[in-house]
Amino acid sequence: NAGVTQTPKFQVLKTGQSMTLQCAQDMNHEYMSWYRQDPGMGLRLIHYSVGAGITDQGEVPNGYNVSRSTTEDFPLRLLSAAPSQTSVYFCASSTPLQGANTEAFFGQGTRLTVV
Amino acid sequence: RKEVEQDPGPFNVPEGATVAFNCTYSNSASQSFFWYRQDCRKEPKLLMSVYSSGNEDGRFTAQLNRASQYISLLIRDSKLSDSATYLCVVRRGGKLIFGQGTELSVKP
Repeated sequence: NAGVTQTPKFQVLKTGQSMTLQCAQDMNHEYMSWYRQDPGMGLRLIHYSVGAGITDQGEVPNGYNVSRSTTEDFPLRLLSAAPSQTSVYFCASSTPLQGANTEAFFGQGTRLTVV
Repeated sequence: RKEVEQDPGPFNVPEGATVAFNCTYSNSASQSFFWYRQDCRKEPKLLMSVYSSGNEDGRFTAQLNRASQYISLLIRDSKLSDSATYLCVVRRGGKLIFGQGTELSVKP
């Protein structure tokens, strides 16, 4: 019963390096999204997807790319890491059903430091 | 102005106190409403959904006023284990939009 799995849990990058944060869910959820969390800022939406092949930008998309080739996976790519991208990243998934019982499930987070 | 705004924290209360959190949202197209709890920068977890009629789960009561675009959470008889950050969340289409969170610290 894995839920949402994010890897890696911790990462240190040098400025200018690229990397991919992985996110996989086994609940057959159509909606998936990526957030970053910085002190005092809450969770801010980076990109989201409402189904395989469909992605859209959130509040803070610059410097990040996503793709959704399967329902299960939603990787987040940092194209050229910058110190401003030092943050905690969370992936989440949920169903498209409307109404109250649409809990979003989160991965455990990736703590990224860019030096 | 953020789309979802919460009371600034932190709230420091003694055990047994009643504490209320307020939240406002600016987009009337918001469809569903939630309170999430986050411990020590771990992943957020659903505390409760919020219904227009108001709903209660043990010591927790949530209210939604769609006309005022206002959401509240009341915690009665606070426990040490209630110490956490409480996140007000609205859902609009495929997006979940978070408030900045309010930190609660319950002291003995």
